[in-house]
Amino acid sequence: DAGVIQSPRHEVTEMGQEVTLRCKPISGHNSLFWYRQTMMRGLELLIYFNNNVPIDDSGMPEDRFSAKMPNASFSTLKIQPSEPRDSAVYFCASSPKEGRFNEQFFGPGTRLTVL
Amino acid sequence: DAKTTQPTSMDCAEGRAANLPCNHSTISGNEYVYWYRQIHSQGPQYIIHGLKNNETNEMASLIITEDRKSSTLILPHATLRDTAVYYCIVRVVTTNAGKSTFGDGTTLTVKP
Repeated sequence: DAGVIQSPRHEVTEMGQEVTLRCKPISGHNSLFWYRQTMMRGLELLIYFNNNVPIDDSGMPEDRFSAKMPNASFSTLKIQPSEPRDSAVYFCASSPKEGRFNEQFFGPGTRLTVL
Repeated sequence: DAKTTQPTSMDCAEGRAANLPCNHSTISGNEYVYWYRQIHSQGPQYIIHGLKNNETNEMASLIITEDRKSSTLILPHATLRDTAVYYCIVRVVTTNAGKSTFGDGTTLTVKP
């Protein structure tokens, strides 16, 4: 099992540019989560999908952030336009159990730097 | 979600048991206690969870007090690879993940 796959692992961009982060969950998992981690705010849940449907996006910081899950094996988190305060490590996680804060398997993360 | 309180940091000698405490005095009856850890530059890793009974798996043991207001994660034989930030999280197991955070956790340093 390859685990949760995220790409790119590192992204450096300039303020105002569009950024797209990608995630491939573990095959067969029903739930997918996007988190953001910073020194100031720790690890925060941004959005959660269940069976490809967004269930709770209350953690998404503002309209510049959007997430999609077009199928069970792929999800994207897009920031448009990006700002320096978006610099963080973004983690994707998947869970085999529907709608539960249970055993979540995290990807290696994408380190985003916005200049 | 109930708030948790953990010590900022702890040290443990290699080969000895590491006991990591967590206070969750406002926990409600349907909230579970979860433990995750995050090794430097990696994503968090699930360790164990429980409701009211003590739990054990291949990684650790979880001891929950009878009043459920505190718990202890035990790593029976700590190794250098167990050096990580350990997060204690209290959550309701529902269909809605809600706006959850992992808190600051305890930085465990295992020393040779």
